Amino acid sequence: EIVMTQSPATLSVSPGERATLSCRASQSVSSNLAWYQQKPGQAPRLLIYGASTRATGIPARFSGSGSGTEFTLTISSLQSEDFAVYYCQQYNNWPPVTFGGGTKVEIK
Amino acid sequence: EVQLVESGGGLVQPGGSLRLSCAASGFTFSSYWMSWVRQAPGKGLEWVANIKQDGSEKYYVDSVKGRFTISRDNAKNSLYLQMNSLRAEDTAVYYCARGYSTPGYWGQGTLVTVSS
Repeated sequence: EIVMTQSPATLSVSPGERATLSCRASQSVSSNLAWYQQKPGQAPRLLIYGASTRATGIPARFSGSGSGTEFTLTISSLQSEDFAVYYCQQYNNWPPVTFGGGTKVEIK
Repeated sequence: EVQLVESGGGLVQPGGSLRLSCAASGFTFSSYWMSWVRQAPGKGLEWVANIKQDGSEKYYVDSVKGRFTISRDNAKNSLYLQMNSLRAEDTAVYYCARGYSTPGYWGQGTLVTVSS
């Protein structure tokens, strides 16, 4: 099973600032990496797949990069609606599909 | 509009059973893999199981193998999760999701609580 590790666990950012979230895989997942956003009481929302392709309707301020074992989600200028928990997920070697533990982006 | 609506959650005693349902609409259900993903209170996401379009392939996370069974009825546009021998650690919100690798559509979830 591939283990996904996200850092930091919590990121404190001011509105308008840039946020950089990291995700590491225990072995290569090629570019088969997705990012999700989850707000309290809501289902996860797909942001990025294929490590860098934005899902339908996702604003351009969200970007993904990386391949192999190291990945990054960047939010270029945080808006109020972006404060949430973000999860990475690999789907290169499945089953099982595996998720990281999440990064909470909070208001500084 | 794609809609996934879960039902069937509730409080059950350890060792008990529960059957979750997911009613799908707004897309051709029989054309998609479907998945169940769960989230324990205050915890992260855990993929539970998925099923191919025609039901011919099913996969499970190790922790539920032999206890949970995923199934579907394409005529009813419905996905199911039969959960037997439930344990406290199965307590979670269970989400139905469209797709097997990067689900783009999720239901709102149904809460399963395993407690005496």
